[in-house]
Amino acid sequence: GQQVMQIPQYQHVQEGEDFTTYCNSSTTLSNIQWYKQRPGGHPVFLIQLVKSGEVKKQKRLTFQFGEAKKNSSLHITATQTTDVGTYFCAGRNFNKFYFGSGTKLNVKP
Amino acid sequence: DTGVSQNPRHKITKRGQNVTFRCDPISEHNRLYWYRQTLGQGPEFLTYFQNEAQLEKSRLLSDRFSAERPKGSFSTLEIQRTEQGDSAMYLCASSLGDFEAFFGQGTRLTVV
Repeated sequence: GQQVMQIPQYQHVQEGEDFTTYCNSSTTLSNIQWYKQRPGGHPVFLIQLVKSGEVKKQKRLTFQFGEAKKNSSLHITATQTTDVGTYFCAGRNFNKFYFGSGTKLNVKP
Repeated sequence: DTGVSQNPRHKITKRGQNVTFRCDPISEHNRLYWYRQTLGQGPEFLTYFQNEAQLEKSRLLSDRFSAERPKGSFSTLEIQRTEQGDSAMYLCASSLGDFEAFFGQGTRLTVV
């Protein structure tokens, strides 16, 4: 069955350090979306990647979609305390999203 | 607020009781999804609708679970004979075609 694996499960960084989370799918994805969930909140959409090898940037966030459309990464440069939360990738295959287990980011001031 | 709305926000029920949750998607969104999320895990797909048609149902969804979207607008998720393992956050999301999904605040179910 469809599986989306995400690593690491947790990441603790000092404010100002960089952070990366990786997402791998067992099958080729039509697209991948990234979400952020704050403690007690619901997932909030960040971005969607569709094309093989696509790279998109949002300020300090850089998103990449692998050439084979089976993996993706989210990189945050110079983390801030406002970046705290759990970051989920969600791979789309046939109209359904399959979420990774998320990477919980904690940023120490 | 024209986002996805879910009711109730919290539900505590005794084991064996039936519960029903409601989701009002963003108007004109043709797709509606139900997910279940437990602590420390990502949302797990349960089922989704395209307009009023339920197109897929996860194997996670036992026959105690049923979902409807009768007029292609709001949706309900019913759990019959609840069990303690049903305790989770139930999330609803809607999208317009393949565009991004917008999530509701979720309904937190506690089965005691």
